[in-house]
Amino acid sequence: AQSVTQLGSHVSVSEGALVLLRCNYSSSVPPYLFWYVQYPNQGLQLLLKYTTGATLVKGINGFEAEFKKSETSFHLTKPSAHMSDAAEYFCAVRPDTGRRALTFGSGTRLQVQP
Amino acid sequence: GAVVSQHPSWVICKSGTSVKIECRSLDFQATTMFWYRQFPKQSLMLMATSNEGSKATYEQGVEKDKFLINHASLTLSTLTVTSAHPEDSSFYICSASGQINEKLFFGSGTQLSVL
Repeated sequence: AQSVTQLGSHVSVSEGALVLLRCNYSSSVPPYLFWYVQYPNQGLQLLLKYTTGATLVKGINGFEAEFKKSETSFHLTKPSAHMSDAAEYFCAVRPDTGRRALTFGSGTRLQVQP
Repeated sequence: GAVVSQHPSWVICKSGTSVKIECRSLDFQATTMFWYRQFPKQSLMLMATSNEGSKATYEQGVEKDKFLINHASLTLSTLTVTSAHPEDSSFYICSASGQINEKLFFGSGTQLSVL
């Protein structure tokens, strides 16, 4: 079984500041890990994913995440926030084999202040 | 990228009525579709998995007779909330995948409010 915990339902940063959205997971098998973004009135869009290999994963829009097995974490970062980054972000996990359904965290709403 | 269209985006209905939500893959054949539900301030919870041409597989605790899923074609899956009650008010979102290990594409969701 898998579970995902996103610390902080709301995060507010200033434009140009570092963005850090936290995600911890539990999984009984090697996981695939994902970050999705949802803009208002739109579907979830894949930001990045970790499957195997390099633990630092780069995604779209300047975001990246690092898989840390020892900490069971997959935190999402961006060096400099932009106003357009304001959205809801979801971390998700699924096992590396078999069932493709994702288990999601509760989401973090990112606000970017001018 | 691939597009999944979900309709309606929001619906308000009276208690006891049925509501149908459609999920269409516009430019690919979706062999598998997933239906999720999200209550306020909670995670997206998987309700069921449907494969084209076969019966849906429901998660534990989800009533299959209440949440009817039809996946009769490779581009359309529907979720019907039968005899809706206020506690069914939630955000419902579908996702679709073409083949094993392919990316999942999400619809924009449906906000259901049952009065």
